[in-house]
Amino acid sequence: QSALTQPASVSGSPGQSITISCTGTSSDVGGYNYVSWYQQHPGKAPKLMIFDVSVRPSGVSSRFSGSKSGNTASLTISGLRAEDEADYYCSSYTRSTTWVFGGGTKLTVL
Amino acid sequence: QVQLQESGPGLVKPSETLSLTCTISGYSISTGYYWGWIRQPPGQGLEWIGNIFHSGITYYNPSLKSRVTISVDTPKNQFSLKLSSVTAADTAVYYCARQMGNNFDFWGQGTLVTVSS
Repeated sequence: QSALTQPASVSGSPGQSITISCTGTSSDVGGYNYVSWYQQHPGKAPKLMIFDVSVRPSGVSSRFSGSKSGNTASLTISGLRAEDEADYYCSSYTRSTTWVFGGGTKLTVL
Repeated sequence: QVQLQESGPGLVKPSETLSLTCTISGYSISTGYYWGWIRQPPGQGLEWIGNIFHSGITYYNPSLKSRVTISVDTPKNQFSLKLSSVTAADTAVYYCARQMGNNFDFWGQGTLVTVSS
């Protein structure tokens, strides 16, 4: 199975909004509403930020939101803060009853 | 609060079998959910390895399926990973995680396994 496609890096200034894309196929992202997003700070385990495309777990800031259109899912972070600087990974369920991650996006807060 | 902790050798020789155990606290593995293994080579992205349901049903990454075995030990509240015939490409931080539906909501801290002679 191929990894989902994410931009290698994105950046934004404090207070701005950024969007990270995650592109798959009709066999994964496009076929199911089972996309999740993870935040990973250096040396730490990933943290679940969004699941089922747009659902925020308890305790995750409302500044984080998710959406999907066709084979591409998106994570938007509004009101960017310094602590948002991290790597972000998307993941999706696939038609083969497996799960696949994206290659990851490094977010830099300028 | 659900907590997971990986344990096992940090160094494995090429061609040998990597073995890791994930011990769960704060939740009984027999209650439900899938339990998974994910790895991350140094400086690279995450790769799903496979998962197991408490009943023993497993799903594996097709690219690793021929070398992977995941098992569950319900009395010990643990699940384990075995990866055979390892090479340097298997050097990574290995994470265990609880899989709630189609996402991973609780993760272990990760353990670095280096494949080297």
